[in-house]
Amino acid sequence: TQLLEQSPQFLSIQEGENLTVYCNSSSVFSSLQWYRQEPGEGPVLLVTVVTGGEVKKLKRLTFQFGDARKDSSLHITAAQPGDTGLYLCASAGGTSYGKLTFGQGTILTVHP
Amino acid sequence: NAGVTQTPKFQVLKTGQSMTLQCAQDMNHEYMSWYRQDPGMGLRLIHYSVGAGITDQGEVPNGYNVSRSTTEDFPLRLLSAAPSQTSVYFCASSRRPEETQYFGPGTRLLVL
Repeated sequence: TQLLEQSPQFLSIQEGENLTVYCNSSSVFSSLQWYRQEPGEGPVLLVTVVTGGEVKKLKRLTFQFGDARKDSSLHITAAQPGDTGLYLCASAGGTSYGKLTFGQGTILTVHP
Repeated sequence: NAGVTQTPKFQVLKTGQSMTLQCAQDMNHEYMSWYRQDPGMGLRLIHYSVGAGITDQGEVPNGYNVSRSTTEDFPLRLLSAAPSQTSVYFCASSRRPEETQYFGPGTRLLVL
């Protein structure tokens, strides 16, 4: 099973600050998904990155896929309280081929 | 379109009792999976299925059984519940593991 390491595990910031969350693996990802989960609900897909070096933007969220496809990052600009939640990366590639495994997640709290 | 449904929403069991968590999807997805999520943690894969009649173990399969007799349904069985199985259980489905996962609302299980 491909091990996905996310960092940091916890992030507590003030509204308006910027932040970056990282997802790393010792194996190559075939593709990587980022999910956001709010309390009491299931995760919801934010984006899928497939190509090494790829950058995708979703409003104030920027997702990058490393050139070697072994790491990815999620950058949030000018965080808002509505961004609060658990951010998860997931991959079905490498040694996890045929099944989807998740990182341990980053709990983000944005204070007004 | 109901998406992914899970029942029950909440359940309290005594140690040693058995129960089945139900999961159904109406999107004709081949890939279905069960995860457990402990407080402040990511999702750990219990079992998954790539189609009717095919199931396989994930990261934490011990104490759980699954079957996939139809494309729509993927029940998770606890044969003899233990306090360590207290968790929130999520079922998910997709066309393939590397594509968007659609999650159910979760089942909150407490084992006393």
